Amino acid sequence: DAKTTQPNSMESNEEEPVHLPCNHSTISGTDYIHWYRQLPSQGPEYVIHGLTSNVNNRMASLAIAEDRKSSTLILHRATLRDAAVYYCILRRSGNTPLVFGKGTRLSVIA
Amino acid sequence: EAGVVQSPRYKIIEKKQPVAFWCNPISGHNTLYWYRQNLGQGPELLIRYENEEAVDDSQLPKDRFSAERLKGVDSTLKIQPAELGDSAVYLCASKIGLAGGSTGELFFGEGSRLTVL
Repeated sequence: DAKTTQPNSMESNEEEPVHLPCNHSTISGTDYIHWYRQLPSQGPEYVIHGLTSNVNNRMASLAIAEDRKSSTLILHRATLRDAAVYYCILRRSGNTPLVFGKGTRLSVIA
Repeated sequence: EAGVVQSPRYKIIEKKQPVAFWCNPISGHNTLYWYRQNLGQGPELLIRYENEEAVDDSQLPKDRFSAERLKGVDSTLKIQPAELGDSAVYLCASKIGLAGGSTGELFFGEGSRLTVL
């Protein structure tokens, strides 16, 4: 599996935008970029995924670099409930399991 | 609609004792996963089921771990005997099959936290 690199931790002020980076320089053409997050004492939950184009949903936006070697998860207005570990995962197809790294621990300050 | 249900939520046992975890996936989801998550780490896959068939159990320590999904619905993960290093959170996840036009999103339960003393 291609590897992703994320910062160990990030901090944000409440109600400000957050940009969570992910590097995946060995991504292949068939790898989808998935983001999951894990709130304290919960299982991971799906946030967003994309292949080449930028994606938006009700939770977040995903900006994918033109060469696909990096991506950024954007939370438009961080709230205290967004404090979690965010995982960036490359996945070859919908039928392959998720391979998690350590993710980025996001702290949100009131 | 109910999510993935796991029990027990917490379990404390002494080493060498057996323990079992139960998972009921979302109705209609034919793919089921068991993951283990150690403190400060991301989840690691133990086993994946497609209906009742274990299609990937390469990461399951088969000397002490076993799993079953007899009717292709709920599943049980067992450890016998437990060791100190088995202390972790055991997560179950499910997803609908690709034939349903799914993006392959996994839905996770809250996990079962095991402490081995």
